Amino acid sequence: NAGVTQTPKFQVLKTGQSMTLQCAQDMNHEYMSWYRQDPGMGLRLIHYSVGAGITDQGEVPNGYNVSRSTTEDFPLRLLSAAPSQTSVYFCASSYLAPQGQFYEQYFGPGTRLTVT
Amino acid sequence: GQQLNQSPQSMFIQEGEDVSMNCTSSSIFNTWLWYKQDPGEGPVLLIALYKAGELTSNGRLTAQFGITRKDSFLNISASIPSDVGIYFCAGHYQGAQKLVFGQGTRLTINP
Repeated sequence: NAGVTQTPKFQVLKTGQSMTLQCAQDMNHEYMSWYRQDPGMGLRLIHYSVGAGITDQGEVPNGYNVSRSTTEDFPLRLLSAAPSQTSVYFCASSYLAPQGQFYEQYFGPGTRLTVT
Repeated sequence: GQQLNQSPQSMFIQEGEDVSMNCTSSSIFNTWLWYKQDPGEGPVLLIALYKAGELTSNGRLTAQFGITRKDSFLNISASIPSDVGIYFCAGHYQGAQKLVFGQGTRLTINP
């Protein structure tokens, strides 16, 4: 198993450009999520999905779109990049637990994004 | 929204010393997870806890799910240089479809 993979590893964008961060997992996990990590801020949830065709917003969804057309893939789209979106982005996945529980999430290696 | 208070924020210790860190919440949690992040990498799961009072070890690491269900502790015994990194706690509370993360504890070890 490759686990959770993310591409690209590094990206530099100009303000206003758009791009898609790719995330894939081969563990047949129902739950997938995107986080951003900024210095001193820990990990903040952007969007998550509990299965194909189902997505929901996390703490900091503004400026980001997601879709989940397959179990394996969960791309994150920046429609018009802003310097405030300079961050490290992590994708994570897990099995979907029964209501009231949460299983451990497995993280990808991250995408380091700089917006100038 | 929910927040976790993780402390200390940073630790500077000598190789061989024991380390303790903890996370507290204002609400009852039903899952506690501990992760370690090396520079330039994603967080890696160390220990998962699912029951109040649960004490689980992973090598030199031991974590406990607090009996009040509002806190968790991670201990590292006899630290070695490869223990350097950022340690995160994460928790799940009833009704949420997400994890809440602590701010992290940055561990530095002097040889």
